[in-house]
Amino acid sequence: EVQLVESGGGLVQPGGSLRLSCAASGFIFNKYWMTWVRQAPGKGLEWVANTKEDESEKYYVDSVKGRFTISRDNARNLLYLQMNSLRAEDTAVYYCATGVYYFDHWGQGTLVTVSS
Amino acid sequence: DIVMTQSPDSLAVSLGERATITCKSSRSVLDSSNSKNYLAWYQQKPGQPPKLLFYWASTRESGVPDRFSGSGSGTDFTLTISSLQAEDVAVYYCHQYYNTPRTFGQGTKVEIK
Repeated sequence: EVQLVESGGGLVQPGGSLRLSCAASGFIFNKYWMTWVRQAPGKGLEWVANTKEDESEKYYVDSVKGRFTISRDNARNLLYLQMNSLRAEDTAVYYCATGVYYFDHWGQGTLVTVSS
Repeated sequence: DIVMTQSPDSLAVSLGERATITCKSSRSVLDSSNSKNYLAWYQQKPGQPPKLLFYWASTRESGVPDRFSGSGSGTDFTLTISSLQAEDVAVYYCHQYYNTPRTFGQGTKVEIK
């Protein structure tokens, strides 16, 4: 059974940093593109970033370019999202998901709150 | 960026009745080289992550009841629930993966009338 478990969320001040993790199991992690999607409270879904299996390709939504970095550790089946220079508008539940096209497996999400 | 627009924003349907959600993309998401529409549908219930319902516009994900159907091509797509059940109360999202950034519709909330 595929499992994705996010962690690392919390309360951070504007301008601060957080690193989110996503622990993957139940599938061959290094064979899959991985994606981060976020959802602001009471709002819709927003694709954030994705990474190819070997990290040779990475893509970001414009609003996080230069501030967020997606990475992965295939030896440990972990996906990361390093978030710097956080803004109030980054407040959201962050989900990791499998796939480069459609997203067939999702974690439960981790809440990031950016507030002073 | 491709803008995805769903309608309506919300709808209330009686149990057993049909619910229809439309999704329009600002550009075609049909790849003529393979005749595939790069569009997916998700269902999200309160407090849960989204669940994939359809991909390639009309391919039903394993385990999705056949009262759900996906259709459309190019820029116009439809998600239909043929006979609404109580467990179908949720927000539904369309999603294009034709190009980057991937984008989602704003969501359609389905409730029981």
